[in-house]
Amino acid sequence: ETGVTQTPRHLVMGMTNKKSLKCEQHLGHNAMYWYKQSAKKPLELMFVYNFKEQTENNSVPSRFSPECPNSSHLFLHLHTLQPEDSALYLCASSQGGSYNSPLHFGNGTRLTVT
Amino acid sequence: DQQVKQNSPSLSVQEGRISILNCDYTNSMFDYFLWYKKYPAEGPTFLISISSIKDKNEDGRFTVFLNKSAKHLSLHIVPSQPGDSAVYFCAASPSLYNQGGKLIFGQGTELSVKP
Repeated sequence: ETGVTQTPRHLVMGMTNKKSLKCEQHLGHNAMYWYKQSAKKPLELMFVYNFKEQTENNSVPSRFSPECPNSSHLFLHLHTLQPEDSALYLCASSQGGSYNSPLHFGNGTRLTVT
Repeated sequence: DQQVKQNSPSLSVQEGRISILNCDYTNSMFDYFLWYKKYPAEGPTFLISISSIKDKNEDGRFTVFLNKSAKHLSLHIVPSQPGDSAVYFCAASPSLYNQGGKLIFGQGTELSVKP
């Protein structure tokens, strides 16, 4: 069991749906991240939150909308997605700003857009 | 343009032998490097790291070597075990301090250790 929990594990949605991915970390970290892994591609950073403030948006389309209500919870709201958005979405946390603090990942949400 | 490259998508090794996974990077500003391991249906887990002030870091069966002049790092697993079968990701950061987790990942190498 990881200290970072993601729900749901699998999600199938149509292009007109609205859904949300949820992430919760139990590690006392102050930074949380969304990463995307498409087939045969490296993990790509999407968003970074430090102490609930968004500090990085890696040119992500507006159909992905993150929300971080507190340092332990992170959401990714999805609307009007495209089939090419189908991917594994990974949440991670770390002790941001600390020396040698690696990312701790959740198990991901496998998203399929039909 | 990919700044971190793992040119071997897969590697097959016999149990008990050495596994060597390679990674090349292009950005000389990177000064902290990490290896992550990923099993199917799980998220990546941190394995080992090295800062640019070192050329070797060892943790049990795992050793990472860094050659800054060649912009190359490698992960050695000795002896390899079937439970090591997973996808291994190399990642690089421009800072020792995890400023925003700005890790640049390679594509991964799938290691298969045969009994």
